[in-house]
Amino acid sequence: NAGVTQTPKFQVLKTGQSMTLQCAQDMNHEYMSWYRQDPGMGLRLIHYSVGAGITDQGEVPNGYNVSRSTTEDFPLRLLSAAPSQTSVYFCASSLGGQRMSEQFFGPGTRLTVL
Amino acid sequence: QQQVKQSPQSLIVQKGGISIINCAYENTAFDYFPWYQQFPGKGPALLIAIRPDVSEKKEGRFTISFNKSAKQFSLHIMDSQPGDSATYFCAVPNTGTASKLTFGTGTRLQVTL
Repeated sequence: NAGVTQTPKFQVLKTGQSMTLQCAQDMNHEYMSWYRQDPGMGLRLIHYSVGAGITDQGEVPNGYNVSRSTTEDFPLRLLSAAPSQTSVYFCASSLGGQRMSEQFFGPGTRLTVL
Repeated sequence: QQQVKQSPQSLIVQKGGISIINCAYENTAFDYFPWYQQFPGKGPALLIAIRPDVSEKKEGRFTISFNKSAKQFSLHIMDSQPGDSATYFCAVPNTGTASKLTFGTGTRLQVTL
């Protein structure tokens, strides 16, 4: 099992560029989520999905889009990058339901927007 | 929206000592309450989680104590080791139908020799 994989590991963008952060899991987990981590602010939820075809907003969704066409993949799209989106992004998955809280995290993508 | 307060921000403990990190929340929830451990440059990893109808759970040197009436739970690390030096996050499940976790701001633990 590879667990949760994320690509790329590092990315530098210019303001206004768009890009997609990839996330995949091979544990057949129904629940997937995206977080951003900034110094002193913990992890903040961007978007989440409770199953294929179902997505919902988290705490900080503005500027990001997601889709969930398969159980395995949950890509995060930055529509028009801004310096405020400089952060470390983590994807996570879990069985969902009462076990939603027990999430497995990927290694992260460190994004810098100039 | 769940509000979560984690303390302390940082903690220095001698090897062999007990590390205690606290977490307080506002709204009652019925899913598991987890603690995560994160090493520099890595993603968070689930350390231990407790059901809200249980007052204590122990796994090796790690114990969660849960006080439902006070809306607080804490992580105790017994016999702390230098390898435990990491950042620890508590997380609280959302109430209602939305399936979300709200994380605390983290505690940086340093275990000295």
